[in-house]
Amino acid sequence: TQLLEQSPQFLSIQEGENLTVYCNSSSVFSSLQWYRQEPGEGPVLLVTVVTGGEVKKLKRLTFQFGDARKDSSLHITAAQPGDTGLYLCAGGISGGSYIPTFGRGTSLIVHP
Amino acid sequence: DAGVTQSPTHLIKTRGQHVTLRCSPISGHKSVSWYQQVLGQGPQFIFQYYEKEERGRGNFPDRFSARQFPNYSSELNVNALLLGDSALYLCASSLGLAGRTLFFGEGSRLTVL
Repeated sequence: TQLLEQSPQFLSIQEGENLTVYCNSSSVFSSLQWYRQEPGEGPVLLVTVVTGGEVKKLKRLTFQFGDARKDSSLHITAAQPGDTGLYLCAGGISGGSYIPTFGRGTSLIVHP
Repeated sequence: DAGVTQSPTHLIKTRGQHVTLRCSPISGHKSVSWYQQVLGQGPQFIFQYYEKEERGRGNFPDRFSARQFPNYSSELNVNALLLGDSALYLCASSLGLAGRTLFFGEGSRLTVL
């Protein structure tokens, strides 16, 4: 069974602060996705990383896939209240059905 | 274009009852997956269907069943409801079996009393 551990579980910060969320596993993944989920809604995809060591940027969000494709991080620069939500990482193995395993998520609250 | 739609959005049942949840995927998407999300947890995989056939099953009891129709919509059925079945049930669609991007609906919030 593939397990994804996310840390921290909860994060409460002030607007303008920087933060990093981690996603770790003992398993190797073909690709890893980061989703954001807001209350009362389903998760929405932010990014997919595929290559070990890959870095992707989405405005103030920077995503990195570990060299061994077992871990990933999400860094947010100058957080804004609109960044508030549950951040989920999900990893999967390509070949046949792609059925990602999700972590428990990091709940982020950004206070104005 | 419409996204993934799920119904009902909220429902309350009592222990022992059964429930049917419905999902319509994005037009053109042939794969539908079901996930259970308990408060404070990430989504847990229940089923994946593609072209009306079950292509993956998570670690859930036989009380959980699903099917996919010719128009690619899907139903999730849960029998003999337990208190622990209270959760947000998410449906996700993707273009095909190997699609890495899941498009989620808003979910069906089930409360079992």
